[in-house]
Amino acid sequence: NAGVMQNPRHLVRRRGQEARLRCSPMKGHSHVYWYRQLPEEGLKFMVYLQKENIIDESGMPKERFSAEFPKEGPSILRIQQVVRGDSAAYFCASSPPGSGGEEQYFGPGTRLTVT
Amino acid sequence: GENVEQHPSTLSVQEGDSAVIKCTYSDSASNYFPWYKQELGKRPQLIIDIRSNVGEKKDQRIAVTLNKTAKHFSLHITETQPEDSAVYFCAASRNNFNKFYFGSGTKLNVKP
Repeated sequence: NAGVMQNPRHLVRRRGQEARLRCSPMKGHSHVYWYRQLPEEGLKFMVYLQKENIIDESGMPKERFSAEFPKEGPSILRIQQVVRGDSAAYFCASSPPGSGGEEQYFGPGTRLTVT
Repeated sequence: GENVEQHPSTLSVQEGDSAVIKCTYSDSASNYFPWYKQELGKRPQLIIDIRSNVGEKKDQRIAVTLNKTAKHFSLHITETQPEDSAVYFCAASRNNFNKFYFGSGTKLNVKP
């Protein structure tokens, strides 16, 4: 059973470009969470999604950031018009249905660098 | 919202000694407390967790204690080994478990 997959692992974007981060949950998992980790800091919750639904986006910046988890395919975190402050590691985690969100398994992360 | 504080930010111990990391939380409704280990450049990995109906849990050299009244919980690692060196994060979550609030991390260095 493959773990949570994220791609790309490293992404470099110039200011003003768009960044698309992908997350494939573990097989059978229907809950996806996105977290952001700034250097030397803890992980900060951004958004929680189930298939085709955003359940909680209270940690998402109001502008430029969006997330989706379509019926088919990976979850995508999209950052439009990136700025230097968006440079961070973005981790997604997944949990199985019925777990209530416990047992969140993390992917390897995407390290975004904005130049 | 929940606020989780973690101390110390760095901890250096000699191999074989014990290490203790402490966290406090603010939301009395939080009832699930996982601990994650993150090695440099790698994903956070769950090492132990505790629910609010339990005061202590052990798994080999690792133990976690929870004091609900004082709203703090601690990670204890005994007989530390160099491979325990990593950053450790505590987290807290409410009953609906839909998001974790993480502490700021403790960088543990175990000197051989």
